[in-house]
Amino acid sequence: AQSVAQPEDQVNVAEGNPLTVKCTYSVSGNPYLFWYVQYPNRGLQFLLKYITGDNLVKGSYGFEAEFNKSQTSFHLKKPSALVSDSALYFCAVRLNYGGATNKLIFGTGTLLAVQP
Amino acid sequence: DTGVSQDPRHKITKRGQNVTFRCDPISEHNRLYWYRQTLGQGPEFLTYFQNEAQLEKSRLLSDRFSAERPKGSFSTLEIQRTEQGDSAMYLCASSPAGPDNSPLHFGNGTRLTVT
Repeated sequence: AQSVAQPEDQVNVAEGNPLTVKCTYSVSGNPYLFWYVQYPNRGLQFLLKYITGDNLVKGSYGFEAEFNKSQTSFHLKKPSALVSDSALYFCAVRLNYGGATNKLIFGTGTLLAVQP
Repeated sequence: DTGVSQDPRHKITKRGQNVTFRCDPISEHNRLYWYRQTLGQGPEFLTYFQNEAQLEKSRLLSDRFSAERPKGSFSTLEIQRTEQGDSAMYLCASSPAGPDNSPLHFGNGTRLTVT
């Protein structure tokens, strides 16, 4: 079965320090991988995606993610955290098979708390 | 680009009542999705439209749930005979035609509370 795991419910980091939010996936075939961010009482906002090519993907607001096929991981990173980065982060996967299904499978989310 | 709009933002209803939510996608997007998000969980896929055709429905979408997109523009999600377990945030998203890797654009959701 296809699944996405975010092993940490919460990540705490001091402002200015690097941050990592972890994601692993389990799918057959080549996945499309996404990161979304959700602020309180809002919908999800797209951050970045991996389709193919370079394993390091750069996205919005200074975030980047590294695709590791052997470890089936797609960790979200940022070199220097801001207090305004505090939010709920979701990893998601979509199968790359060209069928009618366009659904995303989301992880359970990781709450990022950046302390000033 | 005015974004995906959902109405209402909040709905409180009594168990057994019917409720209907509306989603207006980004105007040039022909793909529309409904997701449900409960506290502490990621969004779960409910259903997907391409233009007016409903191409996929999750098993989560019981017989009490129905979604429509009659003219390929806005969509409605109706829940009949609501149950307390239906309490959740209902998210609508849209994406343009093209590769399946196009990001989804989400609305701010409708939060349903069933008392």
